[in-house]
Amino acid sequence: DVQLVESGGGLVQPGRSLRLSCAASGFTFGHYAMHWVRQTPGKGLEWVSGLSWNSGNMAYADSVKGRFIISRDNARSSLYLQMNSLRAEDTALYYCAKEYCSGGNCYQGAFDLWGQGTTVTVSS
Amino acid sequence: QSVLTQPPSASGTPGQRVTISCSGSSSNIGSNSVYWYQQFPGSAPKLLIYGNNQRPSGVPDRFSGSKSGTSASLAISGLRSEDEVDYYCAAWDDSLSGPVFGGGTKLTVL
Repeated sequence: DVQLVESGGGLVQPGRSLRLSCAASGFTFGHYAMHWVRQTPGKGLEWVSGLSWNSGNMAYADSVKGRFIISRDNARSSLYLQMNSLRAEDTALYYCAKEYCSGGNCYQGAFDLWGQGTTVTVSS
Repeated sequence: QSVLTQPPSASGTPGQRVTISCSGSSSNIGSNSVYWYQQFPGSAPKLLIYGNNQRPSGVPDRFSGSKSGTSASLAISGLRSEDEVDYYCAAWDDSLSGPVFGGGTKLTVL
């Protein structure tokens, strides 16, 4: 099956760290840019970070820049998000998402495969 | 506060055609492709439209997208009860160097 499976979420105190993982299967993971997107009832969908297929290009939302680090291991078909200095406003459902490519073109910001999400709750 | 602006709700009757609007700026919709997602409760978003008006394989042609200037629209024709879910627009933002989303529109089929 073509799928993404996130893990690593949980309850963490403000200021602490958490590492999310995303395991991919059913497609050639190393061919695609991958992203993290989070969702909260109040703020909706928010892009968090993205990483090119070869880890050569990475980008972060201003809200997490300097605190979160995205990485990948193509040999393990896995994507990661190291979250440091966590804040209450980081509380959300975090999705791993695959960038959509069709006909030789890849569409920045379009995601055709999402995981089921992993919940991060930052609270004392 | 989302970067792209969508109406929080929309409604229509079965068989009707409804449209959902999405407003942005020159740094996102004005200069990049628009995407639309459909999200069922408890599930991840599903890509419905890419490249302003293209449908991924498997998406019915009842769904169509358009863009003009810094605004975009999603149209759903032949409305069905199963269309009663949430819809989000998105676009790459050159100023933010990442995609931005609308706040979502909850569609009600009356």
